[in-house]
Amino acid sequence: AQSVTQLDSHVSVSEGTPVLLRCNYSSSYSPSLFWYVQHPNKGLQLLLKYTSAATLVKGINGFEAEFKKSETSFHLTKPSAHMSDAAEYFCVVSLYNFNKFYFGSGTKLNVKP
Amino acid sequence: EAQVTQNPRYLITVTGKKLTVTCSQNMNHEYMSWYRQDPGLGLRQIYYSMNVEVTDKGDVPEGYKVSRKEKRNFPLILESPSPNQTSLYFCASSLVRTNTGELFFGEGSRLTVL
Repeated sequence: AQSVTQLDSHVSVSEGTPVLLRCNYSSSYSPSLFWYVQHPNKGLQLLLKYTSAATLVKGINGFEAEFKKSETSFHLTKPSAHMSDAAEYFCVVSLYNFNKFYFGSGTKLNVKP
Repeated sequence: EAQVTQNPRYLITVTGKKLTVTCSQNMNHEYMSWYRQDPGLGLRQIYYSMNVEVTDKGDVPEGYKVSRKEKRNFPLILESPSPNQTSLYFCASSLVRTNTGELFFGEGSRLTVL
């Protein structure tokens, strides 16, 4: 069975400070892992993906994530938060053939001036 | 412009009145899927389709129907809506051939069933 746990429902940081959004997964197969971002009243947009290549994955807008198989984690980080990063972030796991996708419950990121 | 278009974006209806939410993509994607988003639950997959005339259930298919008669369209049908189907619905598509798994989402359809 597949599942995704986002460990924080809300994260608040100050502009210019690092961001860490945590995600743990369980999967019976070698997973593909994704992070998506949802801005208010918008659809979801892909930030980055891991599909069994390099374990450190770089995405758009300065975000990156590291796949750690031993810890079954795929945490999302950014060195310096920007006001425009305020949004909801979803960690997603998929089977190798990409027909089913399992979403975490989401983490709302608040960025304070 | 490459996009996934959903209609309507907002709908208020009453229990039992059949409705259809349309989804269309212009990227020639084989894969299309419907999700519902509820607070604290993330997105849950309702149905998906790997290609024309090929559909399968996701994790929460009860009360919903879909069809895939054309590659670009994947409507979601609620034959007899109930209040527990009040939710935000997203359609998504993906290009299977590249096997990247990237989903392209519509902007969502907010449905309220009274």
